Amino acid sequence: AQSVTQLGSHVSVSEGALVLLRCNYSSSVPPYLFWYVQYPNQGLQLLLKYTTGATLVKGINGFEAEFKKSETSFHLTKPSAHMSDAAEYFCAVTTGASGGSYIPTFGRGTSLIVHP
Amino acid sequence: DAGVTQSPTHLIKTRGQQVTLRCSPKSGHDTVSWYQQALGQGPQFIFQYYEEEERQRGNFPDRFSGHQFPNYSSELNVNALLLGDSALYLCASSSGRRNNYGYTFGSGTRLTVV
Repeated sequence: AQSVTQLGSHVSVSEGALVLLRCNYSSSVPPYLFWYVQYPNQGLQLLLKYTTGATLVKGINGFEAEFKKSETSFHLTKPSAHMSDAAEYFCAVTTGASGGSYIPTFGRGTSLIVHP
Repeated sequence: DAGVTQSPTHLIKTRGQQVTLRCSPKSGHDTVSWYQQALGQGPQFIFQYYEEEERQRGNFPDRFSGHQFPNYSSELNVNALLLGDSALYLCASSSGRRNNYGYTFGSGTRLTVV
């Protein structure tokens, strides 16, 4: 079974400050990991993904995440927050699964609040 | 290039009624997955359709059913609606059964059961 834990339902930062959103996963096999962003009244948009290879993954809008197997973590960071980054962020994990289908399991989400 | 299209965007139904939600996948995608997102929660997997068959199902009762058409579009049906079915229903499309590269999501249908 696979699961995702996002630490902190809300994270508040000042504009220009570092953004750090935490994600820990549980998986018995090598995972594929994703971060999605959801703006109000919209669907989810893929920010970045880790499948294999380089553990530091760069995504859209200046976000990046690092896969750390020893810590079972995939934290999302951005050096300098913008007001437009305010949104809900979801971490997701997939593994090889029954039925030959890779169904992502999502965390409960972290709401990023950016103060002027 | 159109992404994933869902209709309607909002819907209000009475407890006990039935509802049908529709989804057109992104061009080039052949797999459709449905998720339920309750307020303040992450998306919960309902089921996935590929080649017009339900390939995998999450922990949802039989009141939730679906269909995929030859053009890859899909419907989600919910019978005997409960107040607890109020949520944002998201459709996601992808290419192939073994998709490891992320889904493309629609903007969702907001269902309110009164």
